[in-house]
Amino acid sequence: GDSVTQMEGPVTLSEEAFLTINCTYTATGYPSLFWYVQYPGEGLQLLLKATKADDKGSNKGFEATYRKETTSFHLEKGSVQVSDSAVYFCALSETGGYQKVTFGTGTKLQVIP
Amino acid sequence: EPEVTQTPSHQVTQMGQEVILRCVPISNHLYFYWYRQILGQKVEFLVSFYNNEISEKSEIFDDQFSVERPDGSNFTLKIRSTKLEDSAMYFCASSELGSGTGGNNEQFFGPGTRLTVL
Repeated sequence: GDSVTQMEGPVTLSEEAFLTINCTYTATGYPSLFWYVQYPGEGLQLLLKATKADDKGSNKGFEATYRKETTSFHLEKGSVQVSDSAVYFCALSETGGYQKVTFGTGTKLQVIP
Repeated sequence: EPEVTQTPSHQVTQMGQEVILRCVPISNHLYFYWYRQILGQKVEFLVSFYNNEISEKSEIFDDQFSVERPDGSNFTLKIRSTKLEDSAMYFCASSELGSGTGGNNEQFFGPGTRLTVL
């Protein structure tokens, strides 16, 4: 079945540091890939997505590129802020009308001033 | 911007009691989902629902769980006899019909209902 593997956390960075959170996936078809963010005490928010190979999703300075050859979708940001502190979930969904989203375990990011 | 809403935000119940969690999906969406997240763990798929029937369910979604779309707007998750291990955050999600929109199956999540079973 489908699965998502992402790097263990927590990740602690100083403000303005470069962020990479690794994510790899296993899927039977050609899934769409997502990064969701969960701020403390809140629900899930879609951060960015990519629907086909070589697509780059980007939002709020975050970006991730759909790499089919390495089955990866690593999240990057050039300069993190304290407000980026949250849990980040890599996820996938097979194409089709009602396919479930499969989530990774989440990576907690803490940014310190 | 349209959004998925969920009520209540927090539900406290006694073990063995029935609870109903409510969701109002985005109005033109046709696919509906429930997920749960036990504290500190990953988000897990429970069930998907389309055309008034369950499309897929996980092994978590046993006979204690049921879903219903009682009217044109609400989508509910019922737990018949709650157990301590049902304590979790429950997320509702919805997505629009894929065909004709370039295969857009993006799911929009609600803010969640935190269920605490005592």
